[in-house]
Order: sequence, then C-alpha cells, then structure tokens
Amino acid sequence: AQSVSQHNHHVILSEAASLELGCNYSYGGTVNLFWYVQYPGQHLQLLLKYFSGDPLVKGIKGFEAEFIKSKFSFNLRKPSVQWSDTAEYFCAVNARAGGSYIPTFGRGTSLIVHP
Amino acid sequence: NAGVTQTPKFRVLKTGQSMTLLCAQDMNHEYMYWYRQDPGMGLRLIHYSVGEGTTAKGEVPDGYNVSRLKKQNFLLGLESAAPSQTSVYFCASRAGQVNEQYFGPGTRLTVT
Repeated sequence: AQSVSQHNHHVILSEAASLELGCNYSYGGTVNLFWYVQYPGQHLQLLLKYFSGDPLVKGIKGFEAEFIKSKFSFNLRKPSVQWSDTAEYFCAVNARAGGSYIPTFGRGTSLIVHP
Repeated sequence: NAGVTQTPKFRVLKTGQSMTLLCAQDMNHEYMYWYRQDPGMGLRLIHYSVGEGTTAKGEVPDGYNVSRLKKQNFLLGLESAAPSQTSVYFCASRAGQVNEQYFGPGTRLTVT
C-alpha cells in the first residue's frame, strides 16, 4: 500500500520568510500528486496538482511544488509567506490500488505565520 | 453550485446510539469518499464509492456502513457509536479517479 510522509508536523515562521514543506511517498508506479490547504475552521481546498509534464507546478496564492521522481518527493514552496497562509497543509498521492486509484493523505503540516 | 454539502454540521451522541451523516454533491461526480480527521492523523479513508450503487472499504471501515443509492448522495452510518468515533468527518467527491477532490465543510461528531 502506498504511504505519504510529511516530515514537518509544525512550522512557525515570520511574515516574509520562505517556506518549504516536505512530502515523500512510497509507490513505484504512476502517481498524481496534490497539495491541499485547510484554513482554520474550513474544509480542504486544492492548492495545486501534478499529473504529468513540467515537474514544477504553480498553484494559487503564490505556492509552487516540484515533483522529483527519483526522490519520490513533491515538496511545497512559497518564497514569502503571509499571515493569511496560517493553515494546515496536506500532501496527497493518488495511486492505483487494485482496480481503483485511491488517494492517500499525509498527516498534515500545521503552519503558523506570525505577523 | 453548492458543491459538496454535509448534514448535520455538529452532533453529540451517547455511546451506543446510531446516526447517519449525509453527503450531497451537485457536480455529477462519479466518485465519493468519506474521511475522518483526527489531530495528528491527517485524513483517513473510511469508505468510498466509484459510482451509484457501489461502495468499497477504505483504511478504517470498522464501525461504519455506507450507501450510495443515488449518484449525488453518499450516506455514512454509525450503527452503535463509540467514543473512539469522536472525530471530524469529511465527505469528498471527484469527477474521475485521477482528478482532484472537492471537500464538504465537515461534520463534527462527539460521542460521550
């Protein structure tokens, strides 16, 4: 079964600092990769996704992620965070399990940005 | 478009009681999912459905049942609630099995 590891469980930054959240997965076949964000008290929303092609994908609100196949990684980055980026971030991997593609989520990273 | 809606938003149950959570989507999506979210555990898949009339077990199915009688609705049932089922429950749907998921607002369930 596939698994997803998010190494940073809690991250605290000041505004304007750069952000990188790690995500590694264990699955050798074709995968689709996603980052979702959950703002306090809200449901999950899509930040960005990778299906194929350019391994550097750009999402909403200035976020980007790079797919490195050889490292089984899909790290999320933002050059300058804002207070409004305070949220929980989830990496998800969509991979074939049996006859279906099953999405598997990491445990999440809680980001707090101080003004 | 309302997207994905869930009812109720909050519920408190006593141990042994039963309840049904309703998820509805108006996007004509084939695939629907039920997750539970617990602190430090991320989202864990309970059950899912790849189309009307079909359901399958996810990672943590014990103590839950589901039904997908209509394409737009996915019901999650707890037959005999236990305190370990205290959690926030999210429903999600997607158009195809490689697409992104759209999530509902969640149901916060407390079992005492």
